[in-house]
Amino acid sequence: QVQLQESGPGLVKPSQTLSLTCTVSGGSISSGGDYWSWIRQHPGKGLEWIGYIYYSGSTYYNPSLKSRLTISIDTSKNQFSLKLSSVTAADTAVYYCVYGSGSYYNFDYWGQGILVTVSS
Amino acid sequence: QSVLTQPPSMSAAPGQKVTISCSGSSSNIGNNYVSWYQQLPGTAPKLLIYENNKRPSGIPDRFSGSKSGTSVTLGITGLQTGDEADYYCGTWDSSLTDVVFGGGTKLTVL
Repeated sequence: QVQLQESGPGLVKPSQTLSLTCTVSGGSISSGGDYWSWIRQHPGKGLEWIGYIYYSGSTYYNPSLKSRLTISIDTSKNQFSLKLSSVTAADTAVYYCVYGSGSYYNFDYWGQGILVTVSS
Repeated sequence: QSVLTQPPSMSAAPGQKVTISCSGSSSNIGNNYVSWYQQLPGTAPKLLIYENNKRPSGIPDRFSGSKSGTSVTLGITGLQTGDEADYYCGTWDSSLTDVVFGGGTKLTVL
């Protein structure tokens, strides 16, 4: 079973770049057919999909975040990462890294999540 | 405002059955598979149902999914106090070119 673990700073200042890494265990991130996504949840709110990266490096982003977003993959470390630039308080949320087997919109396994607060 | 519409809350007694609805349109539910997720308090969401009505390994058959047109339903039978959670539906929206979720339904087992 694939396991995912998010890591990164829990506090980011406004206008700076939010950077998170997801470490994958129990499976290879370079397996064909699998999608590696980020999803966030604002405090007390519902789920918002951020984007995905395929093992080949191809990406697809939420149109509303696309201009500020970069998702990358490091197959040598079995990790994928999220960078969200020019953050504001509206980006305060729990960020989940997520695995989808053969689908970019079905999410089989989730990391435990990491709360990122944007504040000065 | 979520693209997919779910009732904000529902409640039922232990042992009873509950059905949670999720409605959308032809650009999302009508032409794509739907998944359901369970989020227990303080934890990450967990996949309950995929491809409208399939259960991942380890999910009890008390949980079921169905689809009709542009709506889907999650059914839970033999309710247990441990089923108290938020439930979300999700799918792809071909017009928005975005993954969309319902706003979530908070289930209380009284």
